Amino acid sequence: ETGVTQTPRHLVMGMTNKKSLKCEQHLGHNAMYWYKQSAKKPLELMFVYNFKEQTENNSVPSRFSPECPNSSHLFLHLHTLQPEDSALYLCASSQQEGDYGYTFGSGTRLTVV
Amino acid sequence: QQQVKQSPQSLIVQKGGISIINCAYENTAFDYFPWYQQFPGKGPALLIAIRPDVSEKKEGRFTISFNKSAKQFSLHIMDSQPGDSATYFCAASMLGDYKLSFGAGTTVTVRA
Repeated sequence: ETGVTQTPRHLVMGMTNKKSLKCEQHLGHNAMYWYKQSAKKPLELMFVYNFKEQTENNSVPSRFSPECPNSSHLFLHLHTLQPEDSALYLCASSQQEGDYGYTFGSGTRLTVV
Repeated sequence: QQQVKQSPQSLIVQKGGISIINCAYENTAFDYFPWYQQFPGKGPALLIAIRPDVSEKKEGRFTISFNKSAKQFSLHIMDSQPGDSATYFCAASMLGDYKLSFGAGTTVTVRA
């Protein structure tokens, strides 16, 4: 494991379902991120949290709702998704200061049917 | 608007050959340039990184070359091995901003 754990690894959901993705890190990092990775597309930044406060929402549709209860945990709540939302959702964390390397989780492969 | 442009989109190299991936940026405030390696089914992992005070950094078979005046940096994979087959992302960030701007990625296939 890389230090950032994402669950579940795979998720299939219908368009009317509500589900949540979970991310957990115990690296002592201050910042946490949600990225969307679709086939043959660049990594798309969705949300940024710094010290539990949301600092960026990259024009993400409201059917995606993030939650960061503490610096170690990050959730992405999903509801009424569309088939085009099917992708790999990656969580990452980093320190705010010093080297800015991200540590990524292995992602959740989401399929919307 | 993508702040870091990466090329090629994909490349195929024979075992033992050299893989070269190029990235270009516009923002002169960028001061940290990492490369990430991603295998299928896994998240990207930090491979090697460079700051603009040096022109080259080498770690094993992986070398970053940095050209500050041209605002370009590249990853060279020497003696490429089939286990190097992966997608590689360049990225950049600036002092005081911990967010990374990623390139679009390059899929490298090393043929045995």
